Amino acid sequence: AQTVTQSQPEMSVQEAETVTLSCTYDTSESDYYLFWYKQPPSRQMILVIRQEAYKQQNATENRFSVNFQKAAKSFSLKISDSQLGDAAMYFCAYRSPNNNDMRFGAGTRLTVKP
Amino acid sequence: NAGVTQTPKFQVLKTGQSMTLQCAQDMNHNSMYWYRQDPGMGLRLIYYSASEGTTDKGEVPNGYNVSRLNKREFSLRLESAAPSQTSVYFCASMRERGYSYEQYFGPGTRLTVT
Repeated sequence: AQTVTQSQPEMSVQEAETVTLSCTYDTSESDYYLFWYKQPPSRQMILVIRQEAYKQQNATENRFSVNFQKAAKSFSLKISDSQLGDAAMYFCAYRSPNNNDMRFGAGTRLTVKP
Repeated sequence: NAGVTQTPKFQVLKTGQSMTLQCAQDMNHNSMYWYRQDPGMGLRLIYYSASEGTTDKGEVPNGYNVSRLNKREFSLRLESAAPSQTSVYFCASMRERGYSYEQYFGPGTRLTVT
């Protein structure tokens, strides 16, 4: 089964600075989907960004971008111009192409300092 | 459009008691999921249903059963609750149109087993 690893339990960043959250995964599949979800204190899960494995171009959504390294099985999230509202748990997730099985990492808690 | 709804929001059970967590979505999604969230372990997939009438085991299915009652509803049952099942449970559905595969989550159920 696929596994998703987030090696940084906690990260902090100064407001307006840039921070990168790491994610690695283990798979033998070639075509899959990767996601970053945000969970603020309200506990609601919110999709931040999505990457299709067959696309070489890194996904970008406003201040959020990814560095997708398929050979290294790495999928990091970069948050630019960090804002206080970015403070949350961030989860990396993997979707298998053969079914709808989804696996999440353990999460990284991001603190934004004013 | 309520999205994904879950009932109850909170529940306290005694060891050995049974209960069913209810989940419903009004977005006409085919796939639905049950996760549990424990500190330091992220979201772990319990069961999922790729379509009405089908269910599949996820990462941690032991001690749980599911029913995909119809396209809208996907319930999770604990037949004999154990303290190890104390957790926050999330239901989700997945949007597949346009190969989005975005998951929409319910607000969660906090379950305590004493």
